[in-house]
Amino acid sequence: EAGVTQFPSHSVIEKGQTVTLRCDPISGHDNLYWYRRVMGKEIKFLLHFVKESKQDESGMPNNRFLAERTGGTYSTLKVQPAELEDSGVYFCASHPGPTDRGGYNEQFFGPGTRLTVL
Amino acid sequence: DQQVKQNSPSLSVQEGRISILNCDYTNSMFDYFLWYKKYPAEGPTFLISISSIKDKNEDGRFTVFLNKSAKHLSLHIVPSQPGDSAVYFCAASAGASWGKLQFGAGTQVVVTP
Repeated sequence: EAGVTQFPSHSVIEKGQTVTLRCDPISGHDNLYWYRRVMGKEIKFLLHFVKESKQDESGMPNNRFLAERTGGTYSTLKVQPAELEDSGVYFCASHPGPTDRGGYNEQFFGPGTRLTVL
Repeated sequence: DQQVKQNSPSLSVQEGRISILNCDYTNSMFDYFLWYKKYPAEGPTFLISISSIKDKNEDGRFTVFLNKSAKHLSLHIVPSQPGDSAVYFCAASAGASWGKLQFGAGTQVVVTP
C-alpha cells in the first residue's frame, strides 16, 4: 500500500511569490491533515479535511494560506504571497476515519515539503 | 500557547540501556496520547499510543506510561538500539480521540555503541 506522498520535496521561493504544495493521502482515507514545523519547534496543526469539507481550520495562520481538497482525494496548500516566516516543513497526514481501528487517531504522515522563503 | 511540552531537547544513551522520554501537557481535555518517531528527511511515523482510560501500554521494547493527575506521560525504550536514534514527538488529541494532534517540540535521541 502506497503511503502519503507530498510534492515537491523542497521549494525555494522569494518573498512575495506564490507556492502550491500538494498532498496525496493514502487511498481511501477520508481524513486529511496539514501540519507545519518551523525551525525545529513543535509540529503545529493547520487544518483537517473530511473528504472535501474543511472540518477544522483553526490552525491556519492567516488568509495568505488557502487549502483545497477537490473531490475528496488529493489536497493542495497555496501560500500567496509568501512571507519569510512561512519557511518551514509542511507535513500532510491522513487517516481512514473512526469506522476503522476503533476511532484511534493514529495519523499517517508524508515526508513533508521543505519550504524556504528568501 | 503550547499545550504539549517536551522539556528535554536531546537525550544520549548507551546501546542496551533504557531510554526515558518525558512529556507534559496542560489541557485536561486530552484523552488520547501518541508517540511518533522521526528520522531526518522523513515524516513522523507512529510508534505507540495510550488512551486516557489506561495508565500503561506496552509494545515490544516500547512502553508508554500515563499519569493523568500529574498530566505527564513518558516513553521507555528497553533495550535501546542504534536504530532508535531519531527525534521523538509526543502528541495529544482531545474530544473523542479525534481530529487535530497537538505536538511537543521533540526530543532528539542518540544511541551510542
